Amino acid sequence: QKEVEQNSGPLSVPEGAIASLNCTYSDRGSQSFFWYRQYSGKSPELIMFIYSNGDKEDGRFTAQLNKASQYVSLLIRDSQPSDSATYLCAVTGTASKLTFGTGTRLQVTL
Amino acid sequence: DAGITQSPRHKVTETGTPVTLRCHQTENHRYMYWYRQDPGHGLRLIHYSYGVKDTDKGEVSDGYSVSRSKTEDFLLTLESATSSQTSVYFCATNGGDTEQYFGPGTRLTVT
Repeated sequence: QKEVEQNSGPLSVPEGAIASLNCTYSDRGSQSFFWYRQYSGKSPELIMFIYSNGDKEDGRFTAQLNKASQYVSLLIRDSQPSDSATYLCAVTGTASKLTFGTGTRLQVTL
Repeated sequence: DAGITQSPRHKVTETGTPVTLRCHQTENHRYMYWYRQDPGHGLRLIHYSYGVKDTDKGEVSDGYSVSRSKTEDFLLTLESATSSQTSVYFCATNGGDTEQYFGPGTRLTVT
């Protein structure tokens, strides 16, 4: 079982819709959770992090964490073509190390 | 971008040759990391450093070594490059919190 699992996609949503990206993790001791966006040929860019159960909102982005279910999600409201990218979920382990999922490719269609 | 630069940005080398990649940061961050990214595998940690001269292995460290003689520089060396080390290599840092920030990457091709 992979430590951090994501559906590889592509997830296709129309412009203006809500995109929902999901991630599950296996280590119950994980404390911090991150979402990175990566455009093709570029480096990962941190867009959200969440430490506590519940929702955290930042602009059009909402991160949701459920530690009991070992589940973290990212919602993108009013999706734009510029949101088309691969979204990486990451979870902390020891020594501030991150374990990454393989990413979900999001396509926002016109 | 946490002031992270990587050099070279692109490199083509032959099997069996040594290769050194450099990561330089200007934020005085304590932690530094080297990852490789391959299709189907995502980002995998090669080595990391938690201070000058303090380094440890990640999940895919075989065939790689690192050195950190100054806070700002973290070097990744492939002692004898193999085709399986063809990849995109990313350096990342954090300052003690858990958020990591990535450099622009180095695309390495081993022929």
